[in-house]
Amino acid sequence: EAGVVQSPRYKIIEKKQPVAFWCNPISGHNTLYWYLQNLGQGPELLIRYENEEAVDDSQLPKDRFSAERLKGVDSTLKIQPAELGDSAVYLCASSLTPAGGRNEQFFGPGTRLTVL
Amino acid sequence: GQSLEQPSEVTAVEGAIVQINCTYQTSGFYGLSWYQQHDGGAPTFLSYNGLDGLEETGRFSSFLSRSDSYGYLLLQELQMKDSASYFCAVRGGHSGAGSYQLTFGKGTKLSVIP
Repeated sequence: EAGVVQSPRYKIIEKKQPVAFWCNPISGHNTLYWYLQNLGQGPELLIRYENEEAVDDSQLPKDRFSAERLKGVDSTLKIQPAELGDSAVYLCASSLTPAGGRNEQFFGPGTRLTVL
Repeated sequence: GQSLEQPSEVTAVEGAIVQINCTYQTSGFYGLSWYQQHDGGAPTFLSYNGLDGLEETGRFSSFLSRSDSYGYLLLQELQMKDSASYFCAVRGGHSGAGSYQLTFGKGTKLSVIP
């Protein structure tokens, strides 16, 4: 079974430029998460989708970040314009819904963003 | 909100046993999870405790005490490949949508030495 797929793996851009990340979750997983991970820190939730509905986006900086999950499968996270402080790893994860007690989340390899 | 505390670094010898502690404060609690992440890799699920007590999965065990807001991950027969970061994560928040939210600690970097 294929895992969570993310692309690109690495992205280097100049500040004020736009950038987009793509995620394909595990087949059959209704729930999709976008996390941000800074060096030496744990993942921090940006947004959670149940199918195509964003059910928790309270941590998403909406002035510059946007996300969509058309048809309830693939998802795209966009930053426009990017700032120096956005340099981080952006992780996508998916899980079954309802996830039961374990709420086991399956993570992709992440996109490492560097903003110059 | 939620906050978690875990040691930033631990070093242990190959073949030994190591315990990584995690204390948490949360406005709502459903369970404690542990994830492993190798450098440059994806976090991978290790274990989950929803109730007090010990859960064992091979060389790894996890413990939870809800009354103490405390848990730990126990790694036995350490191998070099266990060198990684280990994150505790609280499944918490309010009921409904929030109960599936995970809040991660900052992680413990485990170095296994020969």
